[in-house]
Amino acid sequence: AQTVTQSQPEMSVQEAETVTLSCTYDTSESNYYLFWYKQPPSRQMILVIRQEAYKQQNATENRFSVNFQKAAKSFSLKISDSQLGDTAMYFCAFLPRASKLTFGTGTRLQVTL
Amino acid sequence: DAGVIQSPRHEVTEMGQEVTLRCKPISGHDYLFWYRQTMMRGLELLIYFNNNVPIDDSGMPEDRFSAKMPNASFSTLKIQPSEPRDSAVYFCASSSYDNLANTEAFFGQGTRLTVV
Repeated sequence: AQTVTQSQPEMSVQEAETVTLSCTYDTSESNYYLFWYKQPPSRQMILVIRQEAYKQQNATENRFSVNFQKAAKSFSLKISDSQLGDTAMYFCAFLPRASKLTFGTGTRLQVTL
Repeated sequence: DAGVIQSPRHEVTEMGQEVTLRCKPISGHDYLFWYRQTMMRGLELLIYFNNNVPIDDSGMPEDRFSAKMPNASFSTLKIQPSEPRDSAVYFCASSSYDNLANTEAFFGQGTRLTVV
């Protein structure tokens, strides 16, 4: 069975600073996808960034980037130049081919002035 | 594409009543997932479909819950009879494996269900 672990229940960062959210996963699959979702107070689940396991290059979307370490089964999210609007719950998710989308328990991020 | 569309956005019902939640996945997506989110349990996968066929319903909590996907563009999650502990936000998500470079998984805006 696949599992996703987010070991940081809560984190805080000052505006304009950089923060890294951790995620590890366990799988025997070789082809899969990894995602980070943002859930603001509105409860909407917003796809932030995705990574294909067969790609060695780390994905980047504007201020969001990942550090994907396939051998270590690690997939961390880095948010640069943090903004107040980044305050939200962040979920890491794992999607193997022909199987279910599995989520971690989430990290609550608070961006402060 | 308008994204994954769920209806209703909010539902308040009395205990014992039947509740039906609806989902329209993104066109071309061949996987559909139903999740439930509560403060106590977090995000739980209830059931998922591939090409309209239920693949894994082990997360469905009880026989009171049922889900169908009669075609590629529509799915329902039904609770009958509803109980207060079913109060939660229910999300539908769809994903695609059609093209490796385009594999994605998007969520609807959720249905907030309150059973009183």
